[in-house]
Amino acid sequence: AQSVTQPDIHITVSEGASLELRCNYSYGATPYLFWYVQSPGQGLQLLLKYFSGDTLVQGIKGFEAEFKRSQSSFNLRKPSVHWSDAAEYFCAVGASQGYQKVTFGTGTKLQVIP
Amino acid sequence: GAVVSQHPSRVICKSGTSVKIECRSLDFQATTMFWYRQFPKQSLMLMATSNEGSKATYEQGVEKDKFLINHASLTLSTLTVTSAHPEDSSFYICSARDSRWQAFFGQGTRLTVV
Repeated sequence: AQSVTQPDIHITVSEGASLELRCNYSYGATPYLFWYVQSPGQGLQLLLKYFSGDTLVQGIKGFEAEFKRSQSSFNLRKPSVHWSDAAEYFCAVGASQGYQKVTFGTGTKLQVIP
Repeated sequence: GAVVSQHPSRVICKSGTSVKIECRSLDFQATTMFWYRQFPKQSLMLMATSNEGSKATYEQGVEKDKFLINHASLTLSTLTVTSAHPEDSSFYICSARDSRWQAFFGQGTRLTVV
């Protein structure tokens, strides 16, 4: 069975600092990996996804993520955080790009301080 | 990007009553929609997959008689929580998949059963 672990429940960073959110997955075959962001009271917005090819994926809002098969990780990064990035971030793994049987992690809440 | 509208965003109902949640794809046709449930401090759990014109496929452990899903058109799916109880209180989110198999999420519905 596929699973996703986001070890950090809550992270606080200063505005302008770099950010890395961790995500580890468990899946038997080549995974389809996603990062979503959820602002308070909002639905989920897709930041980026990895299906195949280049293991460094660029997303929206200046985010990127790197797929490391050897570490079963798909960490999300941003070089300089803005106050508007404060939100909850979810990593997800799926068996296909069709979003069937997508499993979400428990989320990491990001707080940005001035 | 494509827009998925979910209504209502918040609803409070009395125990024993039924509540209907709508999920609409505003600018694309969605042959497939997904319904998720999110408990506090937990991740999203897929409840069911609905395909237009056919019966929904429920995940294991989800009562199909309690959570009625109707996907009568290519732009609308509804989730009805029947005979709601306090333990049904949760955050419900839908997502709709377009022809390129990209999924877009609604803003979610906070259901409180009193």
